[in-house]
Amino acid sequence: AQSVTQLDSQVPVFEEAPVELRCNYSSSVSVYLFWYVQYPNQGLQLLLKYLSGSTLVKGINGFEAEFNKSQTSFHLRKPSVHISDTAEYFCAVTSTGGGNKLTFGTGTQLKVEL
Amino acid sequence: ETGVTQSPTHLIKTRGQQVTLRCSSQSGHNTVSWYQQALGQGPQFIFQYYREEENGRGNFPPRFSGLQFPNYSSELNVNALELDDSALYLCASSLYLAGGLVDQYFGAGTRLSVL
Repeated sequence: AQSVTQLDSQVPVFEEAPVELRCNYSSSVSVYLFWYVQYPNQGLQLLLKYLSGSTLVKGINGFEAEFNKSQTSFHLRKPSVHISDTAEYFCAVTSTGGGNKLTFGTGTQLKVEL
Repeated sequence: ETGVTQSPTHLIKTRGQQVTLRCSSQSGHNTVSWYQQALGQGPQFIFQYYREEENGRGNFPPRFSGLQFPNYSSELNVNALELDDSALYLCASSLYLAGGLVDQYFGAGTRLSVL
């Protein structure tokens, strides 16, 4: 079984400032890791994923994340945020043999202010 | 636009009733997963269907059941509704290939309120 912890329920940040959303996971087996974004009244959109290889993963909308196996973390970063990045962000994990059955964290609300 | 459509968008039921939620998968996708997202929480995996057979289930009671049809559309049925069943129900479709993990695409969800 896996679990995901997103310690920050809300992250306020000014426009054009950098941001990091933290994600830690727990698993006894190898995992794939994901970040999803959810805008109000919408479903989930995949931002990026780590399957294997380079630990630095680049995604859509200028986001990137770094997989750190020793710290069991997969933090999401963006060097300069925009108002349109205001949304809920979810980190998710599945075992490598798990067939897309995702375990999600509780989410981080990113609020970008002028 | 993901190509995954869910209906209805909103639904109000009373405790004890039964409900059916529908999902139309993206064209060509053979796998559908259902998730329950309670207010302020992350989505929780309910079950997955692959080629019309259940292919894994989360920690949900048997009153949560599903179907996948030959055209790969899907239904989630919930019997004997409880107040705690109030949530956003998300459907996600993907194309499962042996040995491969492919992206899954989420619909906008059905918001169920149980009174």
